[in-house]
Amino acid sequence: AQRVTQPEKLLSVFKGAPVELKCNYSYSGSPELFWYVQYSRQRLQLLLRHISRESIKGFTADLNKGETSFHLKKPFAQEEDSAMYYCALSHLSSNDYKLSFGAGTTVTVRA
Amino acid sequence: GAGVSQSPSNKVTEKGKDVELRCDPISGHTALYWYRQSLGQGLEFLIYFQGNSAPDKSGLPSDRFSAERTGGSVSTLTIQRTQQEDSAVYLCASSLAQGNNQPQHFGDGTRLSIL
Repeated sequence: AQRVTQPEKLLSVFKGAPVELKCNYSYSGSPELFWYVQYSRQRLQLLLRHISRESIKGFTADLNKGETSFHLKKPFAQEEDSAMYYCALSHLSSNDYKLSFGAGTTVTVRA
Repeated sequence: GAGVSQSPSNKVTEKGKDVELRCDPISGHTALYWYRQSLGQGLEFLIYFQGNSAPDKSGLPSDRFSAERTGGSVSTLTIQRTQQEDSAVYLCASSLAQGNNQPQHFGDGTRLSIL
């Protein structure tokens, strides 16, 4: 079974400070990892995926297979980054298409 | 519309009643997913459609839950004899095709409250 753990329910940082959201996973195969974000009164949307290896809105996430982690980082948080963030896992190169989500981390960026 | 559309946006009903939730995916998206977001449970997968068939119903919590999709487009999730533990936000997502290389696009969800 696949499992995604986000140990922090709440994260509060000051504007301009670095922010890191932790995500650990357990899966025996080759996972694909995603970060989804939900801003206030908006729908859930894809932020980034490990396979793309890109930076979105200043956020990056590196898949560390040794530590089974996919932490989300941003060096300088902005107030508009305040949102709920979900880490999710799906199986790479198979028909196992459904996403398994972590419990989510609520990020508040204070001025 | 440009995105996944779900209706109703809110539904309040009495315990024991049946409810029907609707999802209109992005045009051309063949894969459709239902998830449930409840307090303390996070986001849980319910069912997946590829076209009109549902190869994976493993997430449906009980036989009171069923879903169908017609014409490869609109899907309805039906909950019979609702219970209070069914209260949650039901999310629908669609993607271009089955597989992990196609991101899932989510709707706004239906907030279901069982009294």
